[in-house]
Amino acid sequence: GAVVSQHPSWVICKSGTSVKIECRSLDFQATTMFWYRQFPKQSLMLMATSNEGSKATYEQGVEKDKFLINHASLTLSTLTVTSAHPEDSSFYICSAPTDLAKNIQYFGAGTRLSVL
Amino acid sequence: GENVEQHPSTLSVQEGDSAVIKCTYSDSASNYFPWYKQELGKRPQLIIDIRSNVGEKKDQRIAVTLNKTAKHFSLHITETQPEDSAVYFCAASIGGEYGNKLVFGAGTILRVKS
Repeated sequence: GAVVSQHPSWVICKSGTSVKIECRSLDFQATTMFWYRQFPKQSLMLMATSNEGSKATYEQGVEKDKFLINHASLTLSTLTVTSAHPEDSSFYICSAPTDLAKNIQYFGAGTRLSVL
Repeated sequence: GENVEQHPSTLSVQEGDSAVIKCTYSDSASNYFPWYKQELGKRPQLIIDIRSNVGEKKDQRIAVTLNKTAKHFSLHITETQPEDSAVYFCAASIGGEYGNKLVFGAGTILRVKS
């Protein structure tokens, strides 16, 4: 299958700081990527759809000013958690479809964020 | 919007037995239904998927069935092995301007006892 790389895999930060997470499609171009959040023992909740060349589309209840998404190129999307607080601690995972028509999505390895 | 319900939340089976996980969806426009396996702290891995124009699909010990009328689909694992132990998520694809978003079920913890 296709490869989606996510970095960093684990980050600890102080409350009030910002953290950037990168998601890269290594062997295909992704005009669309998806960002999910997963709390312990829970399901994946879609946060936003990242679109190359245009603004991200956020799901209801997700603060766009807190979770900044930038789809800089056809292979890179970044999620920045601004002014992080302990309640933002979670597992953040990105995914990308290799073919929008077929909609087979491949996931990054995830980033575990711990806010102290 | 789309809502996906998944049952059971936990499932324990003896090695060699079969396991069945069921999901229902609400949006009749959904047309793609993947199943993912996730081990602790790792990424979800696609194990099988089915599209709305097909009723059943099989890949070795894994099969998925889809009933569009009833809006439910199921994952069947036969001859279970300890390495099948993981969390399994079903999902349904809903339309969006930029490709199809996935809505996930709550997950099923499968434990295969040896």
